[in-house]
Amino acid sequence: NAGVMQNPRHLVRRRGQEARLRCSPMKGHSHVYWYRQLPEEGLKFMVYLQKENIIDESGMPKERFSAEFPKEGPSILRIQQVVRGDSAAYFCASSQTGGLAKNIQYFGAGTRLSVL
Amino acid sequence: DAKTTQPPSMDCAEGRAANLPCNHSTISGNEYVYWYRQIHSQGPQYIIHGLKNNETNEMASLIITEDRKSSTLILPHATLRDTAVYYCIVRVEDNNNDMRFGAGTRLTVKP
Repeated sequence: NAGVMQNPRHLVRRRGQEARLRCSPMKGHSHVYWYRQLPEEGLKFMVYLQKENIIDESGMPKERFSAEFPKEGPSILRIQQVVRGDSAAYFCASSQTGGLAKNIQYFGAGTRLSVL
Repeated sequence: DAKTTQPPSMDCAEGRAANLPCNHSTISGNEYVYWYRQIHSQGPQYIIHGLKNNETNEMASLIITEDRKSSTLILPHATLRDTAVYYCIVRVEDNNNDMRFGAGTRLTVKP
């Protein structure tokens, strides 16, 4: 079984450009979560999505960041007009069901975004 | 979600048991205890979880005290590859699914 797949693994952008991060959940999983990890810090929740729906975006910055999980295809985290402070590792997780604490989230290897 | 407290770092000799403590004194009856670890530059890896009974799987054992205010993750025979940051997380059973990662414990397994 393939795990959570994220691409690209490394992404370099110049200030002002757009960054698109992709996440394909594990087979059979319909719930996706995005987390950000700044250097030397813990993971911080950003957004939780089900197919075609954003369930919880309480951790998303109010501007420049958006996420989607279309009916077909991977989940996309989009960062517009990137700034140096956006440099971080972005992790995606997926789960089979949502709403229950005993549900397990499985993480991908992450995308490391570097903004020059 | 209940807050957790973990020591910032621990050392363990290779081949010995690693016992990682976690305090969660404000845990509620419907909150589960989860353990994840993050090896350098990799994504977090699920280890084990439990509600009130002790749990064991191929990776580790989870011991939860009777009052559920603390727990211990046990790696029975630590190897160098177990060097990682270990996160103890408690999660309530509702629609809020984000995992609240704290600073964790940096475990260093030494030869």
